[in-house]
Amino acid sequence: EIVMTQSPATLSVSPGERATLSCRASQSVSSNLAWYQQKPGQAPRLLIYGASTRATGIPARFSGSGSGTEFTLTISSLQSEDFAVYYCQQYNSWPPRAFGQGTKVEIK
Amino acid sequence: EVQLVESGGGLVQPGRSLRLSCTASGFTFGDYAMSWVRQAPGKGLEWVGFIRSKAYGGTTEYAASVKGRFTISRDDSKSIAHLQMNSLKTEDTAVYYCSRDRGWLGVWGQGTLVTVSS
Repeated sequence: EIVMTQSPATLSVSPGERATLSCRASQSVSSNLAWYQQKPGQAPRLLIYGASTRATGIPARFSGSGSGTEFTLTISSLQSEDFAVYYCQQYNSWPPRAFGQGTKVEIK
Repeated sequence: EVQLVESGGGLVQPGRSLRLSCTASGFTFGDYAMSWVRQAPGKGLEWVGFIRSKAYGGTTEYAASVKGRFTISRDDSKSIAHLQMNSLKTEDTAVYYCSRDRGWLGVWGQGTLVTVSS
């Protein structure tokens, strides 16, 4: 079973700054990696799939990179609406479709 | 508009059963696999299970934590997926989401809360 590990658990960033979130897989998942954003009281929203493809309607300030076991989600210039929890999820080898434990991006 | 709406949540005693429904609209439901994902209060996302489209056999997969207790089914004529939950435990308390599954989960419902408590 593949285990997904996200770091850091919490990231404190000022509006306008760059945020870099990491996700590591316990074994290779190729590029079969997705990122989600979740705000309090809301369902998750797909941001990135295929490790680097933005979902429909996702702003260009969100970008994903990586392959194999190491992945990064970058938010180039944080907006107020970007403060949320972010999850990665692998879909290469399953069940289960494993999620990381999440990274909370908070206002510094 | 592509939409998923969950229903059927509520308060249930340990050991009892509950069936959740996920009603789809705005897309050809039968063409897609569907997943259920849950989120315990204050916790992260946990994948629960999955049902393939009929084109791929309509077969199911489950997380180890629910295997043998939960069953996913689908009725393509009504664009509905169901999650039958038996032998519920207090640790099954969570918001349950259904999602359209292409490996990535591109469309999500708003979730329905299941509380297992005596």
